[in-house]
Amino acid sequence: GENVEQHPSTLSVQEGDSAVIKCTYSDSASNYFPWYKQELGKGPQLIIDIRSNVGEKKDQRIAVTLNKTAKHFSLHITETQPEDSAVYFCATKGNEKLTFGTGTRLTIIP
Amino acid sequence: DAGITQSPRHKVTETGTPVTLRCHQTENHRYMYWYRQDPGHGLRLIHYSYGVKDTDKGEVSDGYSVSRSKTEDFLLTLESATSSQTSVYFCAISAVAGAAGANVLTFGAGSRLTVL
Repeated sequence: GENVEQHPSTLSVQEGDSAVIKCTYSDSASNYFPWYKQELGKGPQLIIDIRSNVGEKKDQRIAVTLNKTAKHFSLHITETQPEDSAVYFCATKGNEKLTFGTGTRLTIIP
Repeated sequence: DAGITQSPRHKVTETGTPVTLRCHQTENHRYMYWYRQDPGHGLRLIHYSYGVKDTDKGEVSDGYSVSRSKTEDFLLTLESATSSQTSVYFCAISAVAGAAGANVLTFGAGSRLTVL
């Protein structure tokens, strides 16, 4: 089955700086790559997603880039704010079911 | 978590006892899922449903069963709970195939289960 590796597991950045989280996957048939944000005590919530026919997608301060050749995709958060502190999960879907990464705990330092 | 309610939100039980977690949705979505979340493992699919009385196994289905007698309710049952089933359980819904397809999953707030 699909194997998704997510790094780093924890990340601390100064408020206003950028944060980058990277995921690698194994299934070359993967064609859908969402990112979910989970705040404390809540369920994960989709924040951005990208499909395999697109290399980059941006939504205000967040962006996702996809490199299908290298089988990795990344979440970029610019001008980080305290409310960005959360756990972030990447996921992939190919022919089988959605597979999630192990999560990154992002802490924004005021 | 609008439209999805999980109950109970917290439960402590003893090894060997049966446990049922309930997921209720008001969105009339066709697909419903149960995931478990554990440190170092992310979110792993237990079972999912693609319609009333239509269910299938996920990657970690051993020790769990599900039922869906109505569109709005999806039940997860641990017939005989074990300590390895201590986890946070999330229900999710999607209008079209989410885990199996490529659409947005909407998650509930989670149910924390502790098996002593």
